[in-house]
Amino acid sequence: DVKVTQSSRYLVKRTGEKVFLECVQDMDHENMFWYRQDPGLGLRLIYFSYDVKMKEKGDIPEGYSVSREKKERFSLILESASTNQTSMYLCASSLPLGNYNEQFFGPGTRLTVL
Amino acid sequence: AQSVTQPDIHITVSEGASLELRCNYSYGATPYLFWYVQSPGQGLQLLLKYFSGDTLVQGIKGFEAEFKRSQSSFNLRKPSVHWSDAAEYFCAVAHTGGGNKLTFGTGTQLKVEL
Repeated sequence: DVKVTQSSRYLVKRTGEKVFLECVQDMDHENMFWYRQDPGLGLRLIYFSYDVKMKEKGDIPEGYSVSREKKERFSLILESASTNQTSMYLCASSLPLGNYNEQFFGPGTRLTVL
Repeated sequence: AQSVTQPDIHITVSEGASLELRCNYSYGATPYLFWYVQSPGQGLQLLLKYFSGDTLVQGIKGFEAEFKRSQSSFNLRKPSVHWSDAAEYFCAVAHTGGGNKLTFGTGTQLKVEL
């Protein structure tokens, strides 16, 4: 059974803290994605990665960075958390570039920044 | 740039009734279209996808969708709704640049009355 796991379901942080959200997939997928989900806005792509150490900005990268040191793991980093980054964060993975394959999603991390 | 519109934010149907969720897209060429479902507290799961060929696409859980190029629509349907179908539904279109990136609509929340 395919699986995408995220390190925390719920996270509470303070303004200015550095926050790490971790995502691991066990499907040997090349592509990995980070989205944020907000009511009335749907899912918006923050960053994606199509290979180890490769990354590309999505639609809303400001205030975020990412790291992909191993194929199975994709981390989202909030360098200095702000209250407007309170949101649900979803990680996904898929087969390689050029194939319009299904994205498999993790259960999400609900982040609250106080 | 591609975009997706889901005009209905909330829909309520009675169990056993038919369902149609609307999705309109904006895209210059032949679109790659997807419907995902998000059950409460879960990540997104693919219901069905359209790439080419037959414009009526069958998916999981008894769902189907019809691609209509003339109307730029990809509406999701189910003949008889079950209480377990209560969830949020997202329509998505693949990016023109490929890479499996998706643009999502804002979602439709489905409530099922018993």
